[in-house]
Amino acid sequence: ILNVEQSPQSLHVQEGDSTNFTCSFPSSNFYALHWYRWETAKSPEALFVMTLNGDEKKKGRISATLNTKEGYSYLYIKGSQPEDSATYLCAFTGTASKLTFGTGTRLQVTL
Amino acid sequence: NAGVTQTPKFRVLKTGQSMTLLCAQDMNHEYMYWYRQDPGMGLRLIHYSVGEGTTAKGEVPDGYNVSRLKKQNFLLGLESAAPSQTSVYFCASSYTTGFPQETQYFGPGTRLLVL
Repeated sequence: ILNVEQSPQSLHVQEGDSTNFTCSFPSSNFYALHWYRWETAKSPEALFVMTLNGDEKKKGRISATLNTKEGYSYLYIKGSQPEDSATYLCAFTGTASKLTFGTGTRLQVTL
Repeated sequence: NAGVTQTPKFRVLKTGQSMTLLCAQDMNHEYMYWYRQDPGMGLRLIHYSVGEGTTAKGEVPDGYNVSRLKKQNFLLGLESAAPSQTSVYFCASSYTTGFPQETQYFGPGTRLLVL
């Protein structure tokens, strides 16, 4: 059983704060690491997919980094806004080519 | 394009009843998946399909059956519902998993309560 862990489980920040969270995954047989954003009552939506060690991706105020050798990825949000409130899921793809999801980090941004 | 749709949105069943959840996608995707989401756990793969007429077991297949008679539809069946199957069910599709970086597109979910 593959272990994908995310921390923290939940996070509460003020508008304008920058924040980051972690996804840990097996460092062997790595193919890809996905980040999804999941708003309440909606479907998970893809944010990033990263495949190479050292990859960095950016979309607006959100960015992600990848370290495949030590098995972790960070997601950063700069200047959090209330609309960033969501659960952020990471998912690991190994040799089986199926996604194994973490339990997510629930972010709440208040005014 | 509607993307990935699921019906019904919500259903209450009594133990032992059967039902079918329907997933439809209009993106001409080859691969389709059924997941369940339970509190404190990540999305877990129930069954998946790599193309019309094919299905395969995922991580938690027991108590479920699936069919993919048409490329655009993926059905998830519960023959005899149990309270342990109370969950939110998500369908997803992707063009292929031949490439592990392929993004999956998710439906809005079906909330199932088994009494």
